[in-house]
Amino acid sequence: GDSVTQMEGPVTLSEEAFLTINCTYTATGYPSLFWYVQYPGEGLQLLLKATKADDKGSNKGFEATYRKETTSFHLEKGSVQVSDSAVYFCATYSGAGSYQLTFGKGTKLSVIP
Amino acid sequence: DGGITQSPKYLFRKEGQNVTLSCEQNLNHDAMYWYRQDPGQGLRLIYYSQIVNDFQKGDIAEGYSVSREKKESFPLTVTSAQKNPTAFYLCASSILPGYRETQYFGPGTRLLVL
Repeated sequence: GDSVTQMEGPVTLSEEAFLTINCTYTATGYPSLFWYVQYPGEGLQLLLKATKADDKGSNKGFEATYRKETTSFHLEKGSVQVSDSAVYFCATYSGAGSYQLTFGKGTKLSVIP
Repeated sequence: DGGITQSPKYLFRKEGQNVTLSCEQNLNHDAMYWYRQDPGQGLRLIYYSQIVNDFQKGDIAEGYSVSREKKESFPLTVTSAQKNPTAFYLCASSILPGYRETQYFGPGTRLLVL
C-alpha cells in the first residue's frame, strides 16, 4: 500500500533557525498528504495538508508542497520558535479506496532559546 | 466549540480486566477511527466506522472491540485478550470516510497496566 518515509530525529535548532523535515511518499494514485503536530501528552493536530500535485499547504508559518516529480512533501518553516517544539508526523492514506491513514514514525523537534 | 473528547485521560487496567475508552464528537462527522500509538512509532489503526452500526477491523484489531450505536460515539473496549495494552490511544473522525478526507484527532487516553 501507499506509505510515507520521514526523516527521523531528534532535530535540535536554535530559535529563528530554518527548519526542514523531509518526507517522501509512495503512492499508486494521488492521495492527499498531511502534516500533523503532536505536543507533549496531547493528541495530533492537523498542521497542513495538500490534496493534489503542486498544491502548497501552509499554516502558522509552516509550508509544504506536494511534489509529484520527487514524490516529496517536505515541511519547512523560515524561523522556528521555542513554541514549535513538538513531534511532527507526515501521513497519507494507505491506497486508493483506503480508509486508513499511514504515518511516518515522527520527527521530534526541540527549539532552544 | 466543536471537537472530539476522549475520556479518561489516564486509565489503569488490572490483569484479566476489560476496560472501555470513550470517544465522543460533536462535529457531525460520519466516520470515526481508533489508533494506537507506541513510543517512537507512528500510529496504527485498530478499528474504523464509516457509519452508524457499521465498523471494520484495522491492522491491529485483535484484543479490541468497538460499537457504533450513535453517530457521535465510538467507544473502544480493550479486552483481556490484548496482552500488551499499554499505549496511547487516539480517536479521530472525518466528515466522510474516504482516502482524501482529513481526519481530526482527540486528545488521547493513556492506558497503563497495573
